[in-house]
Amino acid sequence: DTGVSQNPRHKITKRGQNVTFRCDPISEHNRLYWYRQTLGQGPEFLTYFQNEAQLEKSRLLSDRFSAERPKGSFSTLEIQRTEQGDSAMYLCASSPGLADYEQYFGPGTRLTVT
Amino acid sequence: ILNVEQSPQSLHVQEGDSTNFTCSFPSSNFYALHWYRWETAKSPEALFVMTLNGDEKKKGRISATLNTKEGYSYLYIKGSQPEDSATYLCAPGGQGGSEKLVFGKGTKLTVNP
Repeated sequence: DTGVSQNPRHKITKRGQNVTFRCDPISEHNRLYWYRQTLGQGPEFLTYFQNEAQLEKSRLLSDRFSAERPKGSFSTLEIQRTEQGDSAMYLCASSPGLADYEQYFGPGTRLTVT
Repeated sequence: ILNVEQSPQSLHVQEGDSTNFTCSFPSSNFYALHWYRWETAKSPEALFVMTLNGDEKKKGRISATLNTKEGYSYLYIKGSQPEDSATYLCAPGGQGGSEKLVFGKGTKLTVNP
């Protein structure tokens, strides 16, 4: 399967713990995006990378959140000191170009903070 | 803040019915409009990307039109099938030079056999 993959698919954690998610984009795509979807809402943009450079961050991305794409390939999203409000579906997408190109989404990581 | 509205919020139709949904967005500084289909437990699937006013795209029984001047797009499904049941999301992208997509809340379609 050459699509976007995300791991883990599900994560249950206790409030206050740190969690890290991984996204492997389609190999030739230089752009990688993170979105978050909560119940009843559409996906909301968090951040995106062009190669290894993080070019835009949403104000939703508090200082407890950090994302990296160290070699311009896979990316990680870390949430420190998780809160119940962080419970959501975290989606990763990749794209070969600008905003008129399709973004190809992975299946998401469902985070539940208890 | 870009406000993207989708209607209806949910829709139940019978197999064989044709249906349509609306996506409205601010028309200023428009760049591209994306439609996605998201089935439960699967990845969101890209349906269309449209950029030109008056653009119309078709994929099988699904088609979409775009009016950038008035800020809306319609998605049509002809002869709905149970496998069309999903949430349909629209998202303008590229406003202000940003590459992010700004999604509406979606229209949840249920097609009853």
